[in-house]
Amino acid sequence: AQSVTQLGSHVSVSEGALVLLRCNYSSSVPPYLFWYVQYPNQGLQLLLKYTTGATLVKGINGFEAEFKKSETSFHLTKPSAHMSDAAEYFCAVTPNSGNTPLVFGKGTRLSVIA
Amino acid sequence: DTGVSQNPRHKITKRGQNVTFRCDPISEHNRLYWYRQTLGQGPEFLTYFQNEAQLEKSRLLSDRFSAERPKGSFSTLEIQRTEQGDSAMYLCASSLPIRRLAERGETQYFGPGTRLLVL
Repeated sequence: AQSVTQLGSHVSVSEGALVLLRCNYSSSVPPYLFWYVQYPNQGLQLLLKYTTGATLVKGINGFEAEFKKSETSFHLTKPSAHMSDAAEYFCAVTPNSGNTPLVFGKGTRLSVIA
Repeated sequence: DTGVSQNPRHKITKRGQNVTFRCDPISEHNRLYWYRQTLGQGPEFLTYFQNEAQLEKSRLLSDRFSAERPKGSFSTLEIQRTEQGDSAMYLCASSLPIRRLAERGETQYFGPGTRLLVL
């Protein structure tokens, strides 16, 4: 069975600093990988996804993630944090058959300090 | 594109009562998913539909839970004889299945959720 581990339930960065949110997956074959963001009292919004091809994926709001098969990782980064980035971030996977439900990590809450 | 909508947004009920939630997916999306999210956890899959057909149910979906999508459009999730452990955010998502070989990894679009509190 697939699983997702997000290291750090809470990450705090200063405004303008690098954001790094970690995600590792467990799967017998490389899955499709997703990052979603959830703002308070809202649903989840897709930031970016990796399916195939280029391993560095760019998403919305300046975020990007790199798929590293050898490390079974899909870490999310942003060069410069903004106050509006404060939210809960979820990494998720689905088998690369592409038609089954998402398996989510427990999430990482990002705080941005002025 | 009006997005996925869910009603009600909040529901408070007493233990033992029945509750029903509704999800309206993005039009022309024929896949619809239900997830449950408890405090401090990521969403967990409950069930999903392709058109009217319920294709998969997780072990989380006890016999007190039932979901329907009678005309392949909106869906309802009913919880009978609610328990305090049912308190959670119930999320709905919709997607289009992959239609062309060139496409990969369908994106699920989430609604705002229904927050249930069982007293």
